[in-house]
Amino acid sequence: EAQVTQNPRYLITVTGKKLTVTCSQNMNHEYMSWYRQDPGLGLRQIYYSMNVEVTDKGDVPEGYKVSRKEKRNFPLILESPSPNQTSLYFCASKLPGQGPSPLHFGNGTRLTVT
Amino acid sequence: DQQVKQNSPSLSVQEGRISILNCDYTNSMFDYFLWYKKYPAEGPTFLISISSIKDKNEDGRFTVFLNKSAKHLSLHIVPSQPGDSAVYFCAASARVGNMLTFGGGTRLMVKP
Repeated sequence: EAQVTQNPRYLITVTGKKLTVTCSQNMNHEYMSWYRQDPGLGLRQIYYSMNVEVTDKGDVPEGYKVSRKEKRNFPLILESPSPNQTSLYFCASKLPGQGPSPLHFGNGTRLTVT
Repeated sequence: DQQVKQNSPSLSVQEGRISILNCDYTNSMFDYFLWYKKYPAEGPTFLISISSIKDKNEDGRFTVFLNKSAKHLSLHIVPSQPGDSAVYFCAASARVGNMLTFGGGTRLMVKP
């Protein structure tokens, strides 16, 4: 089944403790992206990657890192989480080069930073 | 400042009636628009899209209308069904960059 898989689904952590949220897709998509969803603000893009070893900042990149060493994986790293990073996070992928095309989303990771 | 806005955070409709969800945008470079539907505990799923060269696109019960002069688009669901109850996000992109900008979402409740 074609899908984007995020882990973990739920995560509670404390301020300053480094964490990684994994994302993997099995559709051979070149484009991958991370979003956070907050009430009233919709989904805001954190980082995106057009291909392996190519990453770029989205609208709200502060406090986050990403890496793209393989096409299928795009982990999101919070080196020193803070309470304002408490949010619902979504990873997504799609095929670039075909003009605009719909994103395929994972089921989300709910992060709470205390 | 948000470039894509959904001014109604929620909408309640009776089963069988029409649901109309609205979305406004400010960036005149946007030329491709999408609607996503999101159920609780799931990621958003693509519903329907429209290119700026069209003013209407229809897919079964779902129709999206685009008014470029007003920078406004709407999603019509006819007839509405209880299974349509979800949060709906509109999104827009400019061909350069392939990035999507999302609105804040509208929660639709369809009552049996």
